[in-house]
Amino acid sequence: SQQGEEDPQALSIQEGENATMNCSYKTSINNLQWYRQNSGRGLVHLILIRSNEREKHSGRLRVTLDTSKKSSSLLITASRAADTASYFCATDASGAQKLVFGQGTRLTINP
Amino acid sequence: NAGVMQNPRHLVRRRGQEARLRCSPMKGHSHVYWYRQLPEEGLKFMVYLQKENIIDESGMPKERFSAEFPKEGPSILRIQQVVRGDSAAYFCASSPPGGGVNTGELFFGEGSRLTVL
Repeated sequence: SQQGEEDPQALSIQEGENATMNCSYKTSINNLQWYRQNSGRGLVHLILIRSNEREKHSGRLRVTLDTSKKSSSLLITASRAADTASYFCATDASGAQKLVFGQGTRLTINP
Repeated sequence: NAGVMQNPRHLVRRRGQEARLRCSPMKGHSHVYWYRQLPEEGLKFMVYLQKENIIDESGMPKERFSAEFPKEGPSILRIQQVVRGDSAAYFCASSPPGGGVNTGELFFGEGSRLTVL
C-alpha cells in the first residue's frame, strides 16, 4: 500500500496566505523529503528532514516531523503565485535506495 | 552543468509496439533511478541502476519491461509490446556517488510522457 499519503488532495488559497500540507506514512523511516512538481515538469527537491529531527526551515518553507504519529507537515509562508504546483512527500523505504511517494497535494495560489 | 536529460519528452506508440526511453544523468553521477507516474498520482519506483549493474529492480513489472545503464551512453528503459496501461510519465533521476535517497541529492529529469493508442 502507499507509504505516504498527503492531505488535503487539493488546496486553493489567496496570494500572501500560508499553505499547510500534511503527509502520513506507515513504516519506520530514516528521512522524509518534500518535492515540488510544476505541471508537466519534473520533480524538484525542496527539503529533507531526518528521523531524529523535529523541525526544519528553508526560506519560506517549514517542515515538521512527528515520528510517533508517523506524520509530517509542510508549511509555505507568504505564498506567491509561483508556488502553484503539486507537492509530494517521499520516504525512504527500509534503507533501500528508493523513495516511496504520496499522491500529492495540488496547491493553487490565486492572485 | 546540464541537468538530467530525458528523451523523447513525448512518445506515442500503438499497442504492441516497443517504447525506448533514454536518460542521460548529470555529469559525474553514476546512479540512475527510473520512476513511473500515472495521471493524478505520485511517482512509483521502478528500478535503480549503477553503471553496467541493476541494483534494485523490485518495482519493475516482471514482463515486457527492462532497463540498462551501459558503460557508455545513456540509461535505457525499454517497454516491449506496449499496452494502454503503460501510458504514463516516466521519470529518471540521478545521484552522485554517496548521494541519493539518504542525502536528498536526487535530481529528476523532465520526464518522458508515453501515450499508447
